[in-house]
Amino acid sequence: DAGVTQSPTHLIKTRGQQVTLRCSPKSGHDTVSWYQQALGQGPQFIFQYYEEEERQRGNFPDRFSGHQFPNYSSELNVNALLLGDSALYLCASSWGTGDNQPQHFGDGTRLSIL
Amino acid sequence: AQKVTQAQTEISVVEKEDVTLDCVYETRDTTYYLFWYKQPPSGELVFLIRRNSFDEQNEISGRYSWNFQKSTSSFNFTITASQVVDSAVYFCALTSNTGGFKTIFGAGTRLFVKA
Repeated sequence: DAGVTQSPTHLIKTRGQQVTLRCSPKSGHDTVSWYQQALGQGPQFIFQYYEEEERQRGNFPDRFSGHQFPNYSSELNVNALLLGDSALYLCASSWGTGDNQPQHFGDGTRLSIL
Repeated sequence: AQKVTQAQTEISVVEKEDVTLDCVYETRDTTYYLFWYKQPPSGELVFLIRRNSFDEQNEISGRYSWNFQKSTSSFNFTITASQVVDSAVYFCALTSNTGGFKTIFGAGTRLFVKA
């Protein structure tokens, strides 16, 4: 039973570029959430996707966008990268509405902006 | 506003010691859920426990136990007879309908268990 898988593991970009991160949820899960975790801090909620629509969004600018596909996998896109976007990006999946469900996390994508 | 405070940034103990990680939360909702997650060096957060606001029973799972007290808005986590493998960052988290059920994480407590 595959857990949450994220790709790539590491990524280096320069300011102004754009990036796409990918996530496959745990088998049987239909809800995907994305988090940004800066060094030494807790994960910050970016947004959540359910039934291919963005359900909820945290306090992140429009440069952060996403998508969920019919197979429940998801992408996180970040445009016009800033140095401050350097972080570990975590994908989490859950079943149903996900409101009170424990989330299963991937290992994350570490994004470094030069 | 929803908020989770983990005042202990780092804790260092010697193996076999007991250790308690503190978590204080803020919410105006009557229905909410509290979680603890463990983040080992690999980066993946591992779910440990969920508690809903209507269930104040303490829970024990092996060497882990949790104490939920609504009167003090606390949800503390105790590891009994700590082991080196317990070394990790531990996060307390909150979801509630006022927050749109977005999960709010605390800043985490880094636990070092020395042999």
